[in-house]
Amino acid sequence: KAGVTQTPRYLIKTRGQQVTLSCSPISGHRSVSWYQQTPGQGLQFLFEYFSETQRNKGNFPGRFSGRQFSNSRSEMNVSTLELGDSALYLCASGPLGTAQETQYFGPGTRLLVL
Amino acid sequence: AQSVTQPDIHITVSEGASLELRCNYSYGATPYLFWYVQSPGQGLQLLLKYFSGDTLVQGIKGFEAEFKRSQSSFNLRKPSVHWSDAAEYFCAVGARGGADGLTFGKGTHLIIQP
Repeated sequence: KAGVTQTPRYLIKTRGQQVTLSCSPISGHRSVSWYQQTPGQGLQFLFEYFSETQRNKGNFPGRFSGRQFSNSRSEMNVSTLELGDSALYLCASGPLGTAQETQYFGPGTRLLVL
Repeated sequence: AQSVTQPDIHITVSEGASLELRCNYSYGATPYLFWYVQSPGQGLQLLLKYFSGDTLVQGIKGFEAEFKRSQSSFNLRKPSVHWSDAAEYFCAVGARGGADGLTFGKGTHLIIQP
């Protein structure tokens, strides 16, 4: 099975712009979670989608949003980018998104905001 | 809310020596516990996980971890490290009930000396 894929792998944007990141989960997985990784804050949970519905959301401002499509692919969007949004954004997929199942992570999208 | 502490930011170990990475968690009940490894430019890979039962858990790549309820710890061990083990290691907690995604520690950077 192919692993979790994320596109693009690298992005450079300027403050005030918006960005959309894409995640394709492992075939058959219905849950997709997003995490932000920065040197200062570490890995932080953004949100989780299951069957096109957002089930959980972390403590991030409304500028961060996401969606999931019927084929389980997910996108996350960040509007009005700030310098502090520079980070590695990781996507993880799981069959059902239950707490005990293994989440499989993609390689991430590295976003640099100038 | 749950939290995870990894007290060691960096650890240097000689190749062939034993390794122990520390992880302490805070959670109201017995959580789901995970260890992930991240190599440069890569996503996270699950090493092992604990849900219940035997408190000594075996994982991939020769790693093991022991859950100690009395100490709220889940330390990762390996009897003999290889140069390829150099990476960032993350301990994570998942809440029973499945909400809020995984809570990660800040990570321990493992350096292997020849």
